[in-house]
Amino acid sequence: EAEVAQSPRYKITEKSQAVAFWCDPISGHATLYWYRQILGQGPELLVQFQDESVVDDSQLPKDRFSAERLKGVDSTLKIQPAELGDSAMYLCASTSRGERGSGANVLTFGAGSRLTVL
Amino acid sequence: SQQGEEDPQALSIQEGENATMNCSYKTSINNLQWYRQNSGRGLVHLILIRSNEREKHSGRLRVTLDTSKKSSSLLITASRAADTASYFCATDAVGGYNKLIFGAGTRLAVHP
Repeated sequence: EAEVAQSPRYKITEKSQAVAFWCDPISGHATLYWYRQILGQGPELLVQFQDESVVDDSQLPKDRFSAERLKGVDSTLKIQPAELGDSAMYLCASTSRGERGSGANVLTFGAGSRLTVL
Repeated sequence: SQQGEEDPQALSIQEGENATMNCSYKTSINNLQWYRQNSGRGLVHLILIRSNEREKHSGRLRVTLDTSKKSSSLLITASRAADTASYFCATDAVGGYNKLIFGAGTRLAVHP
């Protein structure tokens, strides 16, 4: 079964350092999402791509976070500089609208990247 | 921002019992979905119910949707220890352009 690949699985960094996460969605999935999940809470949408274009980044802290999906396939989420409050699980998901029925945006998630900022 | 609110926040039951989780949301939706997350892992899609549907079944799962009350419930029948996980509802809001907004989740513990 096709999977969403994410790396690294775990990252420990010191505050003020730069950190990057990578995501490779399921082949052919045009829509890609980055979510942040703080321990004990639900996932919060950071950014949504449709192909290479940003559809929604209203919750992305743009002073320190950036995301790109240059060729409309894989994507990178960067944090610079990292702060203590950025410690969380960063989840990538993708969907091909209509794959499981017309108009249904069922998401397939990767295993996540767990970030700890010291 | 999170649209959905799950209730209860945590649920502890014995194997064989049924587990019911509730979700409330705020805006008009195209569909509502339920996902499961094992500790430290990504989320897995369980079931989707469209705004024009009232009830849906999948194996031991039963989902209901009441759009007039803006609420949904997930029932897991005959729970097993392997059902221990966090369960999240997610809403696809009208005009939201495929954006899925998740609730805070219900943490279910099923004891052998």
